[in-house]
Amino acid sequence: KQEVTQIPAALSVPEGENLVLNCSFTDSAIYNLQWFRQDPGKGLTSLLLIQSSQREQTSGRLNASLDKSSGRSTLYIAASQPGDSATYLCAVGARGGSQGNLIFGKGTKLSVKP
Amino acid sequence: NAGVTQTPKFRILKIGQSMTLQCTQDMNHNYMYWYRQDPGMGLKLIYYSVGAGITDKGEVPNGYNVSRSTTEDFPLRLELAAPSQTSVYFCASSYSTRTGGSYEQYFGPGTRLTVT
Repeated sequence: KQEVTQIPAALSVPEGENLVLNCSFTDSAIYNLQWFRQDPGKGLTSLLLIQSSQREQTSGRLNASLDKSSGRSTLYIAASQPGDSATYLCAVGARGGSQGNLIFGKGTKLSVKP
Repeated sequence: NAGVTQTPKFRILKIGQSMTLQCTQDMNHNYMYWYRQDPGMGLKLIYYSVGAGITDKGEVPNGYNVSRSTTEDFPLRLELAAPSQTSVYFCASSYSTRTGGSYEQYFGPGTRLTVT
């Protein structure tokens, strides 16, 4: 059974720092991996989608990498801002089950202090 | 662009009552999903649909039912509500192909349900 783990559960950094959020998964047979942002009391906003054949994706200050063989993905946030404060969720599109179904980690709660 | 819309935003139910959570998407996506999110936990899949008239169970389907009569709508029905169904419910949609191509999932704003 696919399991997704995100470490750390919470992270607090001063404004301007570069930071890395980690995501690991137990089964490397995945369709894709998606990173989301969730603000308190809100829905999920998709940040980046990496297909299984890709190694990384970039959007603005965000860069996500994927290493299927080791079962890991990282989300790199450059020059963090207070507006980046949110919970970041990693989800893998798992093969072998319902196609397109995402398996989620519990998230990393990020706080960027001014 | 409306994307994925959900109604209601909030609801309080008494034990044993029933209700339907509505979900609509305007992106012509073939796949639609219902997830629930409990505090401090990741989202878990309740039901999903690969197209109109086709639905299937996810990881936690007990106590719920779905239907998909159109591409746009995917309502979730709760029968005989129980306190364990207190959660935040998210609907999502995506475009996926039979050969395994799977694209970005887009989520609605969620419905906060409390069963007392």
